[in-house]
Amino acid sequence: NAGVMQNPRHLVRRRGQEARLRCSPMKGHSHVYWYRQLPEEGLKFMVYLQKENIIDESGMPKERFSAEFPKEGPSILRIQQVVRGDSAAYFCASSPLDRRTYNEQFFGPGTRLTVL
Amino acid sequence: GQQLNQSPQSMFIQEGEDVSMNCTSSSIFNTWLWYKQDPGEGPVLLIALYKAGELTSNGRLTAQFGITRKDSFLNISASIPSDVGIYFCAGRSPQGGSEKLVFGKGTKLTVNP
Repeated sequence: NAGVMQNPRHLVRRRGQEARLRCSPMKGHSHVYWYRQLPEEGLKFMVYLQKENIIDESGMPKERFSAEFPKEGPSILRIQQVVRGDSAAYFCASSPLDRRTYNEQFFGPGTRLTVL
Repeated sequence: GQQLNQSPQSMFIQEGEDVSMNCTSSSIFNTWLWYKQDPGEGPVLLIALYKAGELTSNGRLTAQFGITRKDSFLNISASIPSDVGIYFCAGRSPQGGSEKLVFGKGTKLTVNP
């Protein structure tokens, strides 16, 4: 009965390095979303993906950030050349195909990225 | 962009008291969701609302989707210490193709035993 899985839970990077965050959706879910949360703030939408397709990336910064959800394997959020301002908690959510409940997004435990 | 105004920002209550928090928006939503987040964890879905006027309960929690589709509230009855956490409202816009959730800034609940 695995929920949404994210790894790593904590990630420390130095400025200029790359960060790769992984997300495995719940079994049977084919929609994946990435959100970012700053301390004392709500979650901010970044990107919505289905298998092999980016559906909505309106919340993604135009540079350095990319996301994919390949046919096989987890979804990856990639941040190149990290800067201190990228430090945040990054959450992945997934939702089912069912038309009645597809708006119900279930979240993983998050990856806390710290940029030194 | 769309924003949700969630209030109050924080609440300090005694165990056994009832709690009410709400979210308002200047634009309409076709889905309202309420989440609870514990420190260091991801948000956990509490209640989902799909129709204007809908009133839904989940144990001691009750939430309503406002008639105008621009607001929602969450009530917790007979609070207990494990209710401590941050409660977030989230809404989904009816704009076509947009599946993203817009989140409020949260209500931090403290329950004194």
